[in-house]
Amino acid sequence: IVMTQSPATLSVSPGERVTLSCRASQTVSRNLAWYQQKPGQGPRLLIYGASTRATGIPARFSGSGSGTEFTLTISSLQSEDFAVYYCQQSHNWPPLTFGGGTKVEIK
Amino acid sequence: EVQLVESGGGLVQPGGSLRLSCAASGFPFSSYTINWVRQAPGKGLEWVSHISSSSNAIYYADSVRGRFTISRDNAKNSLSLQMNSLRAEDTAVYFCARYSHLTFLTGASYALDLWGQGTTVTVSS
Repeated sequence: IVMTQSPATLSVSPGERVTLSCRASQTVSRNLAWYQQKPGQGPRLLIYGASTRATGIPARFSGSGSGTEFTLTISSLQSEDFAVYYCQQSHNWPPLTFGGGTKVEIK
Repeated sequence: EVQLVESGGGLVQPGGSLRLSCAASGFPFSSYTINWVRQAPGKGLEWVSHISSSSNAIYYADSVRGRFTISRDNAKNSLSLQMNSLRAEDTAVYFCARYSHLTFLTGASYALDLWGQGTTVTVSS
């Protein structure tokens, strides 16, 4: 299953609402996770089951979608949210597959 | 502290070998499936290999099958990735990640819920 994320880069200002997209080449049901990665660090799980926040993840992060279309929304971007975000499917594996990532940068 | 710590990375010549390790602490390691995921310089994440809690289910990406071997020692809370016949395209940061079955209101799903900080492998002459 090929995962495609858009856009590749998003330039935003702190406080703005951000929407990231992820599309699967075939249905993954709700077996979709989102990760955040900052430079020099391993990824951190944000969302699993397409819409459930992982432990300790702030409420400003939300996920939606099912089947082939998914969205990660950050309601009000904080300075610590500038990072790269990846989606990943666990519906049909191996292999586990990731999207190419969306970099959220400061405008 | 709940964590995974990778080690063993380094510089190796093409065709050489390297053995990566992943040490787990703070959780019942023997109950969890673990995956290796890598990230080439400036690139995205690529799944490499999977080993179930009891080692009875092992999978590899096509790009490494036949060259890499994953194993674990539950008594020592550790995981290994033996990498042989290394190529320039294997150059990457290698992460170990815990693969957990996570429940939500209307069902359950799997996700990589705990990651290490990574270890860097460079294949170059």
